[in-house]
Amino acid sequence: GQNIDQPTEMTATEGAIVQINCTYQTSGFNGLFWYQQHAGEAPTFLSYNVLDGLEEKGRFSSFLSRSKGYSYLLLKELQMKDSASYLCAVRDPSGGGADGLTFGKGTHLIIQP
Amino acid sequence: NAGVTQTPKFRILKIGQSMTLQCTQDMNHNYMYWYRQDPGMGLKLIYYSVGAGITDKGEVPNGYNVSRSTTEDFPLRLELAAPSQTSVYFCASSYPGSADTQYFGPGTRLTVL
Repeated sequence: GQNIDQPTEMTATEGAIVQINCTYQTSGFNGLFWYQQHAGEAPTFLSYNVLDGLEEKGRFSSFLSRSKGYSYLLLKELQMKDSASYLCAVRDPSGGGADGLTFGKGTHLIIQP
Repeated sequence: NAGVTQTPKFRILKIGQSMTLQCTQDMNHNYMYWYRQDPGMGLKLIYYSVGAGITDKGEVPNGYNVSRSTTEDFPLRLELAAPSQTSVYFCASSYPGSADTQYFGPGTRLTVL
């Protein structure tokens, strides 16, 4: 089966750093994605990891360890507009669905002044 | 480019009614997907298509049908609406490739009473 776990909710302070963890157990693996979703809106792409290591993109970084089935999303210099849900998703070709993704339930991040 | 567009934005159906959710993309993507998102849950794949004339079931296909007569359009049909189909429906598209992300439409919020 496929299982993706991430915390339900996190709170952080404006200007600080926050790390959102994601663990996964899937039959196959062909990449891990992070999406941002503001309330009432569509998910938008943040990052993609297929090899172990850190991918940095501005204030956002994502890390992957395939042997541990683990990823995290790191957000630096937090801004109020970063308040959103962050979705971890794994592409598992063995699960069918072509490039269809299996999503975690999302982490609701609250930024406080 | 408009990207991925969906209509309608909102709809209320009575039990047993039918409707079609429209999805169009102008990025010439081969792959298209339908997901549903229930409150506090991750997105679940309903159906997907890898090209015109080719569709296949995802994780939660029961109660839905799709067709793909053109590259651009991927409508989702609900034949006999049930309260369990109350959800937000997202259409997405991608160009197949290991690093390519999925682009999501704005969603259709459906309530079945």
